[in-house]
Amino acid sequence: AQSVTQLGSHVSVSEGALVLLRCNYSSSVPPYLFWYVQYPNQGLQLLLKYTSAATLVKGINGFEAEFKKSETSFHLTKPSAHMSDAAEYFCAVSFPNTGNQFYFGTGTSLTVIP
Amino acid sequence: GAVVSQHPSWVICKSGTSVKIECRSLDFQATTMFWYRQFPKQSLMLMATSNEGSKATYEQGVEKDKFLINHASLTLSTLTVTSAHPEDSSFYICSARTGTSGAFFGQGTRLTVV
Repeated sequence: AQSVTQLGSHVSVSEGALVLLRCNYSSSVPPYLFWYVQYPNQGLQLLLKYTSAATLVKGINGFEAEFKKSETSFHLTKPSAHMSDAAEYFCAVSFPNTGNQFYFGTGTSLTVIP
Repeated sequence: GAVVSQHPSWVICKSGTSVKIECRSLDFQATTMFWYRQFPKQSLMLMATSNEGSKATYEQGVEKDKFLINHASLTLSTLTVTSAHPEDSSFYICSARTGTSGAFFGQGTRLTVV
C-alpha cells in the first residue's frame, strides 16, 4: 500500500532558525514526491517536487528537500525561518501509473516565533 | 506555473438547497481534475476524480448522488452539493494535473450550510 506520513503535526521554530519538516513514504514503486503549503482559507501552493531527477530539490521561498530512497524520506528544510513561513505544510506522493492520484500526509502546522 | 481557478471562494446556503462550485484550468487543458474536502486542521480527503467526457470516479464512502460532478470540457469541472446540510459545511478544493508537474490547486471554496 502507498502512503505518506508526516511526523509532528505542529512544529515551532524561532525566526531565523532552521526549519525541518519530516515526511516519510511507503511505496512498492518509485514515487513522485511533493511539498505543498497552505495558508488559511486558501488552496495549496506547490513548494517543490521530486520526479526522479536530482535527489536534492530546491523550491520556492528558500525551501528545499532531499529524496533519500534508503530512508524512504523527503524532508523539507529551510535554513532560516521567516515569519511569513507560518502555514500548514503537506507532503504528498503520487505514482506515474496509478491515475495521477495524490496521497496526502496529515499536514504539519508551522509556527514561527519572533 | 499552471493556474486553476475555483469559484466561489466562499458561499453560505440554506439547508436543503444545492450549491455549485466551479473549477477551471485557465491556461492548460485538464483531462482529469480532482475534488477534495478538507475539515478544519485536517488533511485533504480525496472525494472523486473527474474525467472529461465520462463519469467521475468516487472514493469509497462519498455519496455520488449528493456530490454531483460534471466535467463537460477540458477546462471546467463542477461539483454540486445537492440538498446541502450543515454537516456538508467544509472547505472544498479542486486540483488539476499537467504531466509530471504536480497538481495545481484552486483557491478552495468555504461552504457553510445554515
